[in-house]
Amino acid sequence: QVQLVESGGGVVQPGRSLRLSCAASGFTFSRTGMHWVRQAPGKGLEWVAVISYDGSDKYYADSVKGRFTISRDNSKNTLYLQMNSLRGEDTAVYYCAKDRTSPTIDYWGQGTLVTVS
Amino acid sequence: QSALTQPASVSGSPGQSITISCTGTSSDVGAYNYVSWYQQHPGKAPKLMIYDVSNRPSGVSNRFSGSKSGNTASLTISGLQAEDEADYYCTSYTSSSTRVFGTGTKVTVL
Repeated sequence: QVQLVESGGGVVQPGRSLRLSCAASGFTFSRTGMHWVRQAPGKGLEWVAVISYDGSDKYYADSVKGRFTISRDNSKNTLYLQMNSLRGEDTAVYYCAKDRTSPTIDYWGQGTLVTVS
Repeated sequence: QSALTQPASVSGSPGQSITISCTGTSSDVGAYNYVSWYQQHPGKAPKLMIYDVSNRPSGVSNRFSGSKSGNTASLTISGLQAEDEADYYCTSYTSSSTRVFGTGTKVTVL
């Protein structure tokens, strides 16, 4: 079965950096587009970034463009999110999620909490 | 990248049907048949309920159905049950190859 396990969250000061990881299993990671989606406490879902199956294409939400970088290591079945210049408004649970064959997110991890304070 | 517009809350009695709307633009909802709907219970990860406007993943009850007209997509829950009480989000692929989520709708079963 599909498993997505995020790690790397925690408390970080404004202006500092943090890297999130997502370990994937139960599907062919190297053939699957992957996303990061976040949810601020008590708020709705916000799409953050997507990376194509081979890492050649990356797209970002305007709110994180230039500060966050999505990447992947297909040899390790792992997705990453490098977050720089963190702000208070980046405080959220960050979910790793996978695409179906169509551009649709079908499975989500359980999330990792990032607190910028 | 403005969020898609959903009603903040919708409620219904057990057995009734409710519909949640999701309004976007001609650059997202209106442009592609890549609208999905997710159910999220408190403290849990979202669960895919509808994809590609009207398709149900395996294991999702046929009480859930989706449709689209122009720039507005809709999720209908028929035969409302207590377990359907949750937050629901729509999302769409966009002309910029990004994704955009809806503002979210809290469904209450009276």
